[in-house]
Amino acid sequence: GAVVSQHPSWVICKSGTSVKIECRSLDFQATTMFWYRQFPKQSLMLMATSNEGSKATYEQGVEKDKFLINHASLTLSTLTVTSAHPEDSSFYICSARDSVGLSSHGYTFGSGTRLTVV
Amino acid sequence: GQQVMQIPQYQHVQEGEDFTTYCNSSTTLSNIQWYKQRPGGHPVFLIQLVKSGEVKKQKRLTFQFGEAKKNSSLHITATQTTDVGTYFCAGIKGAQKLVFGQGTRLTINP
Repeated sequence: GAVVSQHPSWVICKSGTSVKIECRSLDFQATTMFWYRQFPKQSLMLMATSNEGSKATYEQGVEKDKFLINHASLTLSTLTVTSAHPEDSSFYICSARDSVGLSSHGYTFGSGTRLTVV
Repeated sequence: GQQVMQIPQYQHVQEGEDFTTYCNSSTTLSNIQWYKQRPGGHPVFLIQLVKSGEVKKQKRLTFQFGEAKKNSSLHITATQTTDVGTYFCAGIKGAQKLVFGQGTRLTINP
């Protein structure tokens, strides 16, 4: 089945620094990937849609200059949290769907990145 | 905009009891998907429902899609400790975007 690899699994950074999170589709090509944010005991909130070869589409209220998304190839999307602050601490998860596969397949999620900003 | 409401937020049961979570959408859904997220883990796809009134089963799990395609439910018969986790329903917004319900967190007393 479709596999999405996300790295790092966890990261601790100092306030004001930037952190890059990678999301790779291992056995399929993903023209579109999605980035979510999840606070403890809450649901997943879509942050942005990452489009290969073009600009990402951000959801309302998400700062595009703070959460930089790059989707340079059909298997890799990156999310960079710039000038991180403690309120950016959260669980970030990417997802993708193998559009070539059966239409009944859902989205595959990466294992997530737990970001802690100190 | 499209919202997907899910209840209850929490459910604690004795092992062996049944469990049900309900999802309601403010708009008609083209399809609905269900995911399970174990504590500390990531969402894992369970099933997709597409047709009005559709019912699908996976062992002890029964998924239903309402006739109006605005509501859905997941029922687990005779829960086991391995069923612990948060169950999310999700509708498709626009072309591909998943909109998640709030999730129902299931805990089980063995």
